[in-house]
Amino acid sequence: GIQVEQSPPDLILQEGANSTLRCNFSDSVNNLQWFHQNPWGQLINLFYIPSGTKQNGRLSATTVATERYSLLYISSSQTTDSGVYFCAGGDNAGNMLTFGGGTRLMVKP
Amino acid sequence: SAVISQKPSRDICQRGTSLTIQCQVDSQVTMMFWYRQQPGQSLTLIATANQGSEATYESGFVIDKFPISRPNLTFSTLTVSNMSPEDSSIYLCSVDGSSYEQYFGPGTRLTVT
Repeated sequence: GIQVEQSPPDLILQEGANSTLRCNFSDSVNNLQWFHQNPWGQLINLFYIPSGTKQNGRLSATTVATERYSLLYISSSQTTDSGVYFCAGGDNAGNMLTFGGGTRLMVKP
Repeated sequence: SAVISQKPSRDICQRGTSLTIQCQVDSQVTMMFWYRQQPGQSLTLIATANQGSEATYESGFVIDKFPISRPNLTFSTLTVSNMSPEDSSIYLCSVDGSSYEQYFGPGTRLTVT
């Protein structure tokens, strides 16, 4: 099956700083998604991005499918951005996802 | 986006007992997914549940331990049977949205003593 690796595993930022999270996958994926798990455990879908670039407010993501990686950019970080960021990949849209190990982010005021 | 609810939100159970977790979606969906998240870990898929057919289990998960029902297109249950402390986890259900993004329920926090 697909292997998904995320880096860095842990990240501490000062409020207002920018950051880049990386996701590498072992094989071609047709389904790549980014999630944020808040401190209360709720998983929020950030992006469905099997290729290309998307932006939503202070967050943007880029997937280079041919090179098997995806990046999540967080600009002007806020304390509410704290939590764990997961990327997950799958063979096809609408099928099961394999999750990476996550990046645990703490944004300090 | 889909709105998903789960019951119970949390429970503390004794070893050897069973717990059934319910997942309700506000729209009809073909596939529902059940995941486990052990403390401090990532998510692992337990099984995929299609309405009208047997659930498909991932390696390491068996039907006797995690029986799943899918009686209609908006509801599913996962039972954790003969529990041990190693089953202490968050159990989450999820569904696919109209544009293939996956949505998750709030999770069920299970502690086995």
